[in-house]
Amino acid sequence: GDSVTQMEGPVTLSEEAFLTINCTYTATGYPSLFWYVQYPGEGLQLLLKATKADDKGSNKGFEATYRKETTSFHLEKGSVQVSDSAVYFCALTHSGRRALTFGSGTRLQVQP
Amino acid sequence: EAGVVQSPRYKIIEKKQPVAFWCNPISGHNTLYWYRQNLGQGPELLIRYENEEAVDDSQLPKDRFSAERLKGVDSTLKIQPAELGDSAVYLCASSSSSGGNTDTQYFGPGTRLTVL
Repeated sequence: GDSVTQMEGPVTLSEEAFLTINCTYTATGYPSLFWYVQYPGEGLQLLLKATKADDKGSNKGFEATYRKETTSFHLEKGSVQVSDSAVYFCALTHSGRRALTFGSGTRLQVQP
Repeated sequence: EAGVVQSPRYKIIEKKQPVAFWCNPISGHNTLYWYRQNLGQGPELLIRYENEEAVDDSQLPKDRFSAERLKGVDSTLKIQPAELGDSAVYLCASSSSSGGNTDTQYFGPGTRLTVL
């Protein structure tokens, strides 16, 4: 079945540091890939998505590129802020199952 | 535009008691999902509706869980009787169904259930 594997957290960074959160997947066919974010006390929000190989999703300074050859969708940001502290979830869907399959989440803590 | 609305936000019950959660999706969204999120994990699908039809309920524990989506809008998820292991956050999401598996799903704030 489908699965998503994320790096375990927490990830602790200083403000303005470079961020990478690794995500790899196993899925049938050609999945769509998503990053969702959950800020403290809030619901899940879509951060970015990519729907085909080599697509790059971007939003709020975050980027992720759909790499079919390595089945990866790593999240990156060049300079994190304290306000980026949250839990980040990598997820996928595909035409055979439109529900999201999520990874276990990675908690990011950014210190001033 | 209003987001996905869920109620209650928190619920504490004794084991073996019944409980129900309510969800109102974004207006015009045909697809509605219920997910369960255990502590420290990602959400997992319980059931998906297309309009009023349940089209993916393979992960719903049907011996104690039930759901309905009358008139293809609001939905209710029920647990009867609740067990200790049901303690989790229950999330409702909706999408417009226009782009298939590329559609963005919009999540509500969730209902945090604690079973004592």
